[in-house]
Amino acid sequence: KNQVEQSPQSLIILEGKNCTLQCNYTVSPFSNLRWYKQDTGRGPVSLTIMTFSENTKSNGRYTATLDADTKQSSLHITASQLSDSASYICVVSVTDSWGKFQFGAGTQVVVTP
Amino acid sequence: ETGVTQTPRHLVMGMTNKKSLKCEQHLGHNAMYWYKQSAKKPLELMFVYNFKEQTENNSVPSRFSPECPNSSHLFLHLHTLQPEDSALYLCASSQPWAQLQETQYFGPGTRLLVL
Repeated sequence: KNQVEQSPQSLIILEGKNCTLQCNYTVSPFSNLRWYKQDTGRGPVSLTIMTFSENTKSNGRYTATLDADTKQSSLHITASQLSDSASYICVVSVTDSWGKFQFGAGTQVVVTP
Repeated sequence: ETGVTQTPRHLVMGMTNKKSLKCEQHLGHNAMYWYKQSAKKPLELMFVYNFKEQTENNSVPSRFSPECPNSSHLFLHLHTLQPEDSALYLCASSQPWAQLQETQYFGPGTRLLVL
């Protein structure tokens, strides 16, 4: 069973609307949780990173939240744009071990005009 | 651009061909990774190198052969692949033991199609 579960698997939203993506993880203990954006046919690009002690982090119209107690994170996209159409991947890194990353399967977001 | 480049970007090969994928990073990192990404699945770790030494081989078939001549370059040699090996192959780098902020930087990937 994957240690990082993302939901929904995909979603379609109208341009200008907001949406929220979810990430639940069982990785413990962890160092940081990162959200990546991956455009079709491209490599993932980092959006936000949060350590276990942080609750929220923003990057423009992207806001990530983290609840380390419930092991949940969310990524909120505000006023979506067509360029937000992409896959969003939640990645958790393992404490005390470099190079150990657990990946979610991603949420595919499609923004329509 | 993330500072990690990959070539070629697209590759079509037959099952009897031999080809190589190349990755180069300009970030001064010491760790490099190969991942396989298939549709609707999480990234699958294939190999990890730290300071040119392979530290992880995630049960990858021998038809995939990695090579890391230095900390900036990473190759993936391919031979006698199967159609199910068709996927996006991603290279990444990171700075080990960056503690709480360790982050991977990904290349654009090579889209591989095996016929």
